[in-house]
Amino acid sequence: DQQVKQNSPSLSVQEGRISILNCDYTNSMFDYFLWYKKYPAEGPTFLISISSIKDKNEDGRFTVFLNKSAKHLSLHIVPSQPGDSAVYFCAASARSGAGSYQLTFGKGTKLSVIP
Amino acid sequence: EAQVTQNPRYLITVTGKKLTVTCSQNMNHEYMSWYRQDPGLGLRQIYYSMNVEVTDKGDVPEGYKVSRKEKRNFPLILESPSPNQTSLYFCASSTLADTQYFGPGTRLTVL
Repeated sequence: DQQVKQNSPSLSVQEGRISILNCDYTNSMFDYFLWYKKYPAEGPTFLISISSIKDKNEDGRFTVFLNKSAKHLSLHIVPSQPGDSAVYFCAASARSGAGSYQLTFGKGTKLSVIP
Repeated sequence: EAQVTQNPRYLITVTGKKLTVTCSQNMNHEYMSWYRQDPGLGLRQIYYSMNVEVTDKGDVPEGYKVSRKEKRNFPLILESPSPNQTSLYFCASSTLADTQYFGPGTRLTVL
């Protein structure tokens, strides 16, 4: 049973346009959500996070939106740059519960930004 | 420099030959974890540790062992590797209230 789902394995976007990466979750106990970015031959690096008490968090070109009723979050990258080309993983944790530092990851979305 | 290191980065071995992948962090983090990444399956957690001498199973622990004798080290042990353990392995660490920092990965091939 996949608790965190990224239904788009890949996404291509023109440089300068908006990239929108989507993530759905099924576990109602999840209350903290993160996006990680991964380049080939490197470990994932933290990008941005959001707590369930918020519906939006912004950091420069990156914004994460959370819709708790729909159990859906999205990552917006504006404007997209070629250096953003990477695999993006959505992750979730239930910080208020036992084992609260365990992250459950989605399968990832490969973003390609075309110059 | 704050970092998580893993060794070796690449390893080719044969079925049944015991191996250890080391993981070390210099950030005094309490929490450490091992993941494997496989095509189409994303990152799946193998084992994690909340502190010294405290370890617990993740989602895919079969065929793996870990130990946490010191805060900075969290080795992953494959007592009898099999071809289905061919994968890309990542170690990660964090404080108990923060995001996880990942190592560079170890690509393991079991023939």
